[in-house]
Amino acid sequence: DIQMTQSPSSLSASVGDRVTITCRASQSISTYLNWYQHKPGKAPELLIYVTSSLQSGVPSRFSGSGSGTDFTLTISSLQPEDFATYYCQQSYIAPLTFGPGTKVDIK
Amino acid sequence: EMQLVESGGNLVQPGGSLRLSCAASGFTFSSYWMHWVRQTPGKGLVWVSRINTDGSVTTCADSVKGRFTISRDNSKNTLYLQMNSLRGEDAAVYYCVRSLTARAFDIWGQGTMVTVSS
Repeated sequence: DIQMTQSPSSLSASVGDRVTITCRASQSISTYLNWYQHKPGKAPELLIYVTSSLQSGVPSRFSGSGSGTDFTLTISSLQPEDFATYYCQQSYIAPLTFGPGTKVDIK
Repeated sequence: EMQLVESGGNLVQPGGSLRLSCAASGFTFSSYWMHWVRQTPGKGLVWVSRINTDGSVTTCADSVKGRFTISRDNSKNTLYLQMNSLRGEDAAVYYCVRSLTARAFDIWGQGTMVTVSS
């Protein structure tokens, strides 16, 4: 199975900050990497698919990059509604594994 | 509006069985691969199982293989997860999920909770 890791596991940031979250796969997954936002009590939401494609309706302050084993999610200017947990997920091969999550909270 | 609504979550004893259902609406259900993803309390997301558009191909995580069965009824726009021989570690919120061609999960239900306890 492909193992996914994320760093940091949590971070504190202020509104307006630039935030970067890193995801690493245990083997190459080409660009089959997706990012989700999850808020307590709600269903996760797809933000970015195949590394850098912005899901419809997602604000342009979210962006993704990378390939192979190393990937990044960037929030260019953190907004109040962005405080949540973010998960990466590889869709290269089953089992379709998720990273452990990065919790973004208010500084 | 595209929507997935899960049902069937409940309290069940270890070794028991449960069937989850997921009703789809607002899109052509039979055109999409579907999945179940679970989240255990305080932990992250774990993919459980998937099924292709006509139900002829299914895949499960090793942790549920031989115990859980995914199926679908395209005439009813409904996805199912039959869970047998339930264990404590199966306790979770179970999400029904639609996937894009790149296997990204673009539509999620609100989840249904399964509790396994004696």
